[in-house]
Amino acid sequence: KAGVTQTPRYLIKTRGQQVTLSCSPISGHRSVSWYQQTPGQGLQFLFEYFSETQRNKGNFPGRFSGRQFSNSRSEMNVSTLELGDSALYLCASSLGYAVGDTQYFGPGTRLTVL
Amino acid sequence: GESVGLHLPTLSVQEGDNSIINCAYSNSASDYFIWYKQESGKGPQFIIDIRSNMDKRQGQRVTVLLNKTVKHLSLQIAATQPGDSAVYFCAENIGIEGAQKLVFGQGTRLTINP
Repeated sequence: KAGVTQTPRYLIKTRGQQVTLSCSPISGHRSVSWYQQTPGQGLQFLFEYFSETQRNKGNFPGRFSGRQFSNSRSEMNVSTLELGDSALYLCASSLGYAVGDTQYFGPGTRLTVL
Repeated sequence: GESVGLHLPTLSVQEGDNSIINCAYSNSASDYFIWYKQESGKGPQFIIDIRSNMDKRQGQRVTVLLNKTVKHLSLQIAATQPGDSAVYFCAENIGIEGAQKLVFGQGTRLTINP
């Protein structure tokens, strides 16, 4: 079974631009979660989608948004990029029916904001 | 390679020795805990999990111990191998009714010396 895939793997943007990241979950998984990983803050939860609905949200500004499609693929968008948005963005998928459903992570998208 | 936390706690052990990685969690109501391993340039990889109704769970060469009284988790790795070198994160799922929301610890960098 194929794992979680994320595209692109690397991105370089400048301040003020916007960016869209994509995540394809493991087949059969309906939950997709997004996390930001930085050296200073570690791994932080952004939001989770299940059946095209945002079910959970972390403490990030409204510049960070996402959506999920009917095939469970998800996209994350960051508008008006800031230098501090440079990070590894990880998505994880799970069945999404129970707290104990394991989340499996993709390789991440490395975003650099100049 | 990936820099996952510039000021991570570190643990250095000899190849073949056992290692113990510790983690404190914050939410006494958490029901589900997970250990992930992250190698340079990769996303976190699931190692083992444990529910709050258990205090010990064993996998292949790994054991997780849960002490709910002091809100402490540990990961024991037996007979460490060079491939065990990585950053290890504990996580608690604080989502409700199936919602997925992982809160991660800061991570521990494990180095295996030959």
